[in-house]
Amino acid sequence: SQELEQSPQSLIVQEGKNLTINCTSSKTLYGLYWYKQKYGEGLIFLMMLQKGGEEKSHEKITAKLDEKKQQSSLHITASQPSHAGIYLCGAHTGANSKLTFGKGITLSVRP
Amino acid sequence: DTGVSQDPRHKITKRGQNVTFRCDPISEHNRLYWYRQTLGQGPEFLTYFQNEAQLEKSRLLSDRFSAERPKGSFSTLEIQRTEQGDSAMYLCASSYPGGGGQETQYFGPGTRLLVL
Repeated sequence: SQELEQSPQSLIVQEGKNLTINCTSSKTLYGLYWYKQKYGEGLIFLMMLQKGGEEKSHEKITAKLDEKKQQSSLHITASQPSHAGIYLCGAHTGANSKLTFGKGITLSVRP
Repeated sequence: DTGVSQDPRHKITKRGQNVTFRCDPISEHNRLYWYRQTLGQGPEFLTYFQNEAQLEKSRLLSDRFSAERPKGSFSTLEIQRTEQGDSAMYLCASSYPGGGGQETQYFGPGTRLLVL
């Protein structure tokens, strides 16, 4: 079965700093989803990447998909306290529509 | 579009009791998913429906778990004879399959279950 490894496990940054988190798959990635979760709440969809080399941005968050490395990165520019939360990557397992998720990365932003 | 809603948001029950959760998907979405999430882990797939048909069930879904989506709209997830290991966040998501394999799943706020 496909496994998604997220790194680092947790991250604490000073407000205003840039940061990058990663998601690496044990199998070929056919598409990757990034979600954000506040503790005790549901998942909020951020971005979906489908093609190798694809890059998408929304506000100060940029996600990239490296198909060869079977990896996706999420970059936050000039972090703010509102960026704090758990970032989860998810991917379809083959032809199935269900998603497999990584364990998530907990981001804290110090004011 | 009011998003995916789940009820209740929190449930505390005693071991051995039955519980039922409800999920209302985004209105035009024909696919509905149930996931379970424990502390420090990502969501794990339980089951999903396309319209009223239950198309896949995870081996995580023991005989004590049953899910329904009788009219292809809302869904219920019932856990019978709850055990302490059932304590988790139960998440519902819905989607509408688009072209090119695009199918973004939108999640509800979850139901947090605590079994004492």
